Amino acid sequence: DAGVIQSPRHEVTEMGQEVTLRCKPISGHNSLFWYRQTMMRGLELLIYFNNNVPIDDSGMPEDRFSAKMPNASFSTLKIQPSEPRDSAVYFCASSLGLAGPQVNIQYFGAGTRLSVL
Amino acid sequence: GDSVTQMEGPVTLSEEAFLTINCTYTATGYPSLFWYVQYPGEGLQLLLKATKADDKGSNKGFEATYRKETTSFHLEKGSVQVSDSAVYFCALINSGGSNYKLTFGKGTLLTVNP
Repeated sequence: DAGVIQSPRHEVTEMGQEVTLRCKPISGHNSLFWYRQTMMRGLELLIYFNNNVPIDDSGMPEDRFSAKMPNASFSTLKIQPSEPRDSAVYFCASSLGLAGPQVNIQYFGAGTRLSVL
Repeated sequence: GDSVTQMEGPVTLSEEAFLTINCTYTATGYPSLFWYVQYPGEGLQLLLKATKADDKGSNKGFEATYRKETTSFHLEKGSVQVSDSAVYFCALINSGGSNYKLTFGKGTLLTVNP
């Protein structure tokens, strides 16, 4: 399998613009996670889905952030409007499921490095 | 809530030195414990895991033992290589309740010099 695929790898945009990050989970995985990594705050879970349904979005920082999972093979994280403080590396991860030691191992994509000027 | 505390870096070692990165956790119930590694410019990769007390996870020469009595999961390697230079994250999942979040420590940067 190709693993979790994220696009783009790098994104540079200007403040106020809309940004869309994309993720393709590993085929057969039912759970998908979006994380943000910064030097100041480390790794933060933003939202996660199970069977395409958002389960917990309490980590989403503001209403400017939204995430969708229209089908089992695709998810997006959108920031509108973007701000300089959104600059970070955004990771997507997927797992077979949520519960149980054999299924809850998360596999990460390579990340999208976002710079908002 | 659940939390993971790992030793702050950076850690700098010479090749073939012994490595220990300390990790302790706070969680209710019986969490599963993980070590992830992040190489420069890449995403996180699972290094090893342990799902119950006294389990030992091992991979690529790295080992960690789930110690419930000390709530610890320290990472060790007997002889590090330059290629081990990376950031190491200790993490837990506490799926005893309805919370399936992977809780990470802040990460420890390891640099191995030749």
